[in-house]
Amino acid sequence: AQSVTQPDIHITVSEGASLELRCNYSYGATPYLFWYVQSPGQGLQLLLKYFSGDTLVQGIKGFEAEFKRSQSSFNLRKPSVHWSDAAEYFCAVGPLNSGNTPLVFGKGTRLSVIA
Amino acid sequence: EAGVAQSPRYKIIEKRQSVAFWCNPISGHATLYWYQQILGQGPKLLIQFQNNGVVDDSQLPKDRFSAERLKGVDSTLKIQPAKLEDSAVYLCASSTGLGHKSEQYFGPGTRLTVT
Repeated sequence: AQSVTQPDIHITVSEGASLELRCNYSYGATPYLFWYVQSPGQGLQLLLKYFSGDTLVQGIKGFEAEFKRSQSSFNLRKPSVHWSDAAEYFCAVGPLNSGNTPLVFGKGTRLSVIA
Repeated sequence: EAGVAQSPRYKIIEKRQSVAFWCNPISGHATLYWYQQILGQGPKLLIQFQNNGVVDDSQLPKDRFSAERLKGVDSTLKIQPAKLEDSAVYLCASSTGLGHKSEQYFGPGTRLTVT
């Protein structure tokens, strides 16, 4: 069965510092991979996704993620964090060849940004 | 373009009562999803519609939960009777089609508290 692990429940970074949020997945083949962000009281917004090709994926708001097959990881990065990036971040995985199988989400990482 | 609308935004009920949530997807989106997000966890798919037909309801507790999308547009999710463990945020999402290449757009959610 598919699973997603986000090892960090809560991360605090200073504004302007770099950020890396970890995501590991368990799946028998290369899946579709996603990162979503959820601000308080808001729905989820897609930051970026990986289907195939270049393993470094660029997303919105200056975020990027790198797919590493050997490590079953899809870590999210941002070189310089802004206070508005404070939110909950979810990694999700979906099977490559089955459009009807639902996404499986990790438990999320809450990001706090301090001045 | 209007986003996914949900109402109510908040609901407090006592256990054994019934409750209904409403979702209006983005115009033209054929696929509609209902997710349950328990505090501290990622969203979990409850049911997926393609137009007015059910694609996947394998994780819907059918003894107490029901959902419909009669005209292939709006959808309602009902819980009857509610239990304490149903306290969660219920998210509605829509996409243009099936498959993970069709981006899901999420509504703001309905926060349900069962006392």
